[in-house]
Amino acid sequence: DAEITQSPRHKITETGRQVTLACHQTWNHNNMFWYRQDLGHGLRLIHYSYGVQDTNKGEVSDGYSVSRSNTEDLPLTLESAASSQTSVYFCASSEGTGDTGELFFGEGSRLTVL
Amino acid sequence: GQNIDQPTEMTATEGAIVQINCTYQTSGFNGLFWYQQHAGEAPTFLSYNVLDGLEEKGRFSSFLSRSKGYSYLLLKELQMKDSASYLCAVLDSNYQLIWGAGTKLIIKP
Repeated sequence: DAEITQSPRHKITETGRQVTLACHQTWNHNNMFWYRQDLGHGLRLIHYSYGVQDTNKGEVSDGYSVSRSNTEDLPLTLESAASSQTSVYFCASSEGTGDTGELFFGEGSRLTVL
Repeated sequence: GQNIDQPTEMTATEGAIVQINCTYQTSGFNGLFWYQQHAGEAPTFLSYNVLDGLEEKGRFSSFLSRSKGYSYLLLKELQMKDSASYLCAVLDSNYQLIWGAGTKLIIKP
């Protein structure tokens, strides 16, 4: 069965360190997204991609970067982790044009920055 | 600015019916989604409305009124497994999803 997987599922790091969260999907979807979810807030879009070599900034992109070198993967990098980036991160993918399709989410990565 | 409003928390009884409301103010409208999210898990798709009216899917139904900027999710014959957060999201004129903070639904026996 097709799926979308994230790793690591849990990570604790220190302020200032670089962190990369992996996202891999086997749906063959063109569209991939990274969100963060914090208590009291809706899902907030960090970065997204509509295809290989395409990346775009979302609502809360400062301090984050992504790259899309193939269809399956969209890794999220925190260049210098800050305590404000402690959150649960969800990767998602969809088919169709832009955001019009149903989103399939990974299980989430819980990041704690000390 | 763009805004999605949903109640923070609701409580209902097993076997009953509950309606979760969502009101939105967005720059344009290209559809409204409902997702279910159990604690500690990923959101999963429930429904998509782009035209006014009621869409029924088993025990769950979703209603949309574009003129009122309003939607609701209706859950019938509530089961304990329906305890979860329900997320409303609107696709705006730029085809970007705007998410509400979610409604935590607690089901009591």
